[in-house]
Amino acid sequence: GENVEQHPSTLSVQEGDSAVIKCTYSDSASNYFPWYKQELGKGPQLIIDIRSNVGEKKDQRIAVTLNKTAKHFSLHITETQPEDSAVYFCAASRTAGGTSYGKLTFGQGTILTVHP
Amino acid sequence: DARVTQTPRHKVTEMGQEVTMRCQPILGHNTVFWYRQTMMQGLELLAYFRNRAPLDDSGMPKDRFSAEMPDATLATLKIQPSEPRDSAVYFCASGNYQPQHFGDGTRLSIL
Repeated sequence: GENVEQHPSTLSVQEGDSAVIKCTYSDSASNYFPWYKQELGKGPQLIIDIRSNVGEKKDQRIAVTLNKTAKHFSLHITETQPEDSAVYFCAASRTAGGTSYGKLTFGQGTILTVHP
Repeated sequence: DARVTQTPRHKVTEMGQEVTMRCQPILGHNTVFWYRQTMMQGLELLAYFRNRAPLDDSGMPKDRFSAEMPDATLATLKIQPSEPRDSAVYFCASGNYQPQHFGDGTRLSIL
């Protein structure tokens, strides 16, 4: 099955700096890669996702890049703010084919702390 | 915004008791997932349904856990008998294939 590795496990930055979180996956058939943000006491909330036919996607201060050849994808947050502090999870999934269709495999999470 | 609703938000009970967690998926979503989150194991998929039919429950300890979708507006996850190692946060998520939208979870403590 799919295996997703996420690094770093913790990341501390100053307000205004950029933050980068990286993930690698093992299943070459995976073609959907979402990123979730989880705040204390809440469920994971989707912040951005990318499909394998696209190499990069951006939404305001958040961007995701995908390298299918190397099987890795990254989350980039620019101009970080204290409210960006949370746990971030990457995940990978197939969007078609077999019983694993739609199942997300999550990375272990990154605790991001943005210091004012 | 439409949301996935989970009840109860918190549950504390003694070992051996039956626990039932409920989830109301977002209206119109055809897939419902149950996850368990712990510090040690992270987010683990327990089971999921598509159009109310169970597709995969290989992540669930079947001797004590059961998941059902009696109708399109309700999914349930039951543990009987509960054990201290079941203490975790249980999340429900729904979607039309992808993306998945998560509820805020049931925090379960088994004493």
